[in-house]
Amino acid sequence: NAGVMQNPRHLVRRRGQEARLRCSPMKGHSHVYWYRQLPEEGLKFMVYLQKENIIDESGMPKERFSAEFPKEGPSILRIQQVVRGDSAAYFCASSRSDDQPQHFGDGTRLSIL
Amino acid sequence: AQKITQTQPGMFVQEKEAVTLDCTYDTSDQSYGLFWYKQPSSGEMIFLIYQGSYDEQNATEGRYSLNFQKARKSANLVISASQLGDSAMYFCAMREDTGRRALTFGSGTRLQVQP
Repeated sequence: NAGVMQNPRHLVRRRGQEARLRCSPMKGHSHVYWYRQLPEEGLKFMVYLQKENIIDESGMPKERFSAEFPKEGPSILRIQQVVRGDSAAYFCASSRSDDQPQHFGDGTRLSIL
Repeated sequence: AQKITQTQPGMFVQEKEAVTLDCTYDTSDQSYGLFWYKQPSSGEMIFLIYQGSYDEQNATEGRYSLNFQKARKSANLVISASQLGDSAMYFCAMREDTGRRALTFGSGTRLQVQP
């Protein structure tokens, strides 16, 4: 099953540490999207990337958050100096093109102690 | 700006009956797509069904159908013959075909199927 792969599934960090979340898109998909879900809420868009390019980062906080999708390897969402408010589920989705349905990974649950 | 409204925080349905989950949307774009996703308690997001704004026929996928009423800006999900495994959160989402490619999600409806 070559679905969208996210790891780790669960990540625990202490305040001030860095969190790195990984996403490997489905085979043949070159468009990657990151979303954040707070408890009991819908998903909120963060950033949209194609290989080596950030297309839209309008939903991403200006500080501490960054994303990349290198030519080789998975897409990475990086959160520096984490705070309690960063606790959430982070979902990655991929699509073959920007007008095709997005398929989601199982998410990474980030907990900040 | 896009907006998705799901007015039913929770719904109950008896097993084997049909249920309709409401979704209304707001957009100034003429071309857009509407999606429904299922999120079981295990947390993953499962794509269910898609409707394009120019599609004349309502979308269907197995037991799922989308009741698309463009003039009313509604895109309700109908699940026929409910099963216990349908118990989950259901999210309606929209993507405008011009400009931003990201999905805008509603707040979700929690469906519980009772035996």
